[in-house]
Amino acid sequence: DAGVTQSPTHLIKTRGQQVTLRCSPKSGHDTVSWYQQALGQGPQFIFQYYEEEERQRGNFPDRFSGHQFPNYSSELNVNALLLGDSALYLCASSPLSSDTEAFFGQGTRLTVV
Amino acid sequence: GNSVTQMEGPVTLSEEAFLTINCTYTATGYPSLFWYVQYPGEGLQLLLKATKADDKGSNKGFEATYRKETTSFHLEKGSVQVSDSAVYFCALANTGNQFYFGTGTSLTVIP
Repeated sequence: DAGVTQSPTHLIKTRGQQVTLRCSPKSGHDTVSWYQQALGQGPQFIFQYYEEEERQRGNFPDRFSGHQFPNYSSELNVNALLLGDSALYLCASSPLSSDTEAFFGQGTRLTVV
Repeated sequence: GNSVTQMEGPVTLSEEAFLTINCTYTATGYPSLFWYVQYPGEGLQLLLKATKADDKGSNKGFEATYRKETTSFHLEKGSVQVSDSAVYFCALANTGNQFYFGTGTSLTVIP
């Protein structure tokens, strides 16, 4: 079992550009959540996808959007990048049947210059 | 609302010292509580969890007890090792598997 895999591991983008991050959930998991972890901070919830629909959303602007595919993998898109979007982006997968289980990927380190 | 407050770091201990990292929470309903560990350059790894009041989570010598009366979930280890050096995050999750994290406590263990 490969666990949760994210790509790419590192990324450098310029202000104003757009970026897409990818996540493959752990086998058997149908729910994917995305978190932003700024340097020296705890992860902050961005949104969660289940059955290809956004199920919950945190306090993030509409520049942050996502998608879930039929195979449960997911993408996080960020438009009009700001310097403040520089962070580690974590994907977590879980089975919808469980409220107490989440496995995190290694993250994508995004640097906006 | 839901939130987690954990002990400010950084914490520096000598090998074999006793570790306590305090964590308190505010939550609606009956959350599950977690400790995650993050090693440099890596993602989050689940260290332990407790799903209801008075439950004790334990793993690799670490323990934490879900205290509803004090809304706390303090992390303890009797004898730390250099390999325990990492950042530790306390977290809660309510219905829907949305996690709320503390700001993290950096632990350095020196030989």
